[in-house]
Order: sequence, then C-alpha cells, then structure tokens
Amino acid sequence: TQLLEQSPQFLSIQEGENLTVYCNSSSVFSSLQWYRQEPGEGPVLLVTVVTGGEVKKLKRLTFQFGDARKDSSLHITAAQTGDTGLYLCAGNYGGSQGNLIFGKGTKLSVKP
Amino acid sequence: KAGVTQTPRYLIKTRGQQVTLSCSPISGHRSVSWYQQTPGQGLQFLFEYFSETQRNKGNFPGRFSGRQFSNSRSEMNVSTLELGDSALYLCASRGTAEETQYFGPGTRLLVL
Repeated sequence: TQLLEQSPQFLSIQEGENLTVYCNSSSVFSSLQWYRQEPGEGPVLLVTVVTGGEVKKLKRLTFQFGDARKDSSLHITAAQTGDTGLYLCAGNYGGSQGNLIFGKGTKLSVKP
Repeated sequence: KAGVTQTPRYLIKTRGQQVTLSCSPISGHRSVSWYQQTPGQGLQFLFEYFSETQRNKGNFPGRFSGRQFSNSRSEMNVSTLELGDSALYLCASRGTAEETQYFGPGTRLLVL
C-alpha cells in the first residue's frame, strides 16, 4: 500500500513568518499535486509537479519536487491570514490518473 | 467554464437508509472520481469512472457503488448506511490525458 506522509500535521504561526510543509513517500510518483482546502469546501488545486527536481512558484508559495520524485515540499514566505487552511499533497503512482493517494494534510493557522 | 458541481450539499440520514449523491463534471471532462474525507482517515479514493465504465475501485465495502451516465454526470450510492459513513464526499473530474483533478465542493453526509 502506497502511503504519503505529510508533516507537520498542525502548524500555527504569526503573520509574516515563513513555513515549510513536507510530503514524503517510499514510492516514486509520476506526478504530485498540492491542494488547499477550506472548511466545508472541496480541495482547490495549487500546483502539479511532474519532473524530478522541478521548482514552481506561485506568488509567495514555492513548490519543490524531489530529484527522485519521492518527496515534495511547499514553502510559504511571509505568511498571511488568508493562507490559513488545510494543505494536502496527492500523488499519482503511475496507475490510473483518476486514483490519487492523499496525505492526511497539514492544518495551517496564520494569526494576525 | 463552470466547475464541478455536487448535489445535495448537505444531507442527514439515519442508520440503515440509503443515499444517492450526484456529481456534474466540468464540461468536456469524461473522468469522474469519488473520494470520502473524514477527520481520522483523510481523503480516501472510492472509485473512478470513465466513459460510463468503472476504471478503478478503492478499498470500500460493496455498500458503496456508483455509475456514470452518457453525459459524464455521475452518481454514487451508499446502501444500509452506518454511523461511520458520516463524511464529506468529494467528486473530482479530469480531462482526457490530463493528470490534474478538479474537485467539487462536496456533499456533507451525516448519519444519525
């Protein structure tokens, strides 16, 4: 059974601080996606990474895909209260692309 | 382009009843996947449909079933509801040859 380990599980920081969320597996991903989910809503896609070593930036968010395609990180610079939410990583292991394996998520709270 | 829509948004049922949830994918998307999200287990894959055929199935009992219609709309059914079926049920659609899944807002099911 493929597992995606996300850490930390909870994170509470002050506005303006930086943070990093990690997503790790013992298996190789064909692709990995990061989502942000707010309470009572579905996950919203932030980014998809496909190539080992790939770095993608989305404003203050930086996503990195490990060289071996087994791990990924999400770094937020100068967090804002609007960044509060549940951050989920999801991997595709090369099976059907409609079957994503999700990490349990990192619940981020950014306080003013 | 309209996003993925799910109906109903909220549902309360009692043990032993059955329930049907509906999902309309993004126009042109032929793949629809269903996930169950609970606080303890996170997001877990239920099944995926493509062109009216079930392509993949997760590790859920036979009480959970689904189908897809010729217009790509999908329904999932849960029979003989149990308390543990209380969850947010999410539907996601994907375009052909595309890895990214786009999620709907979910149906919150409460079983009493």
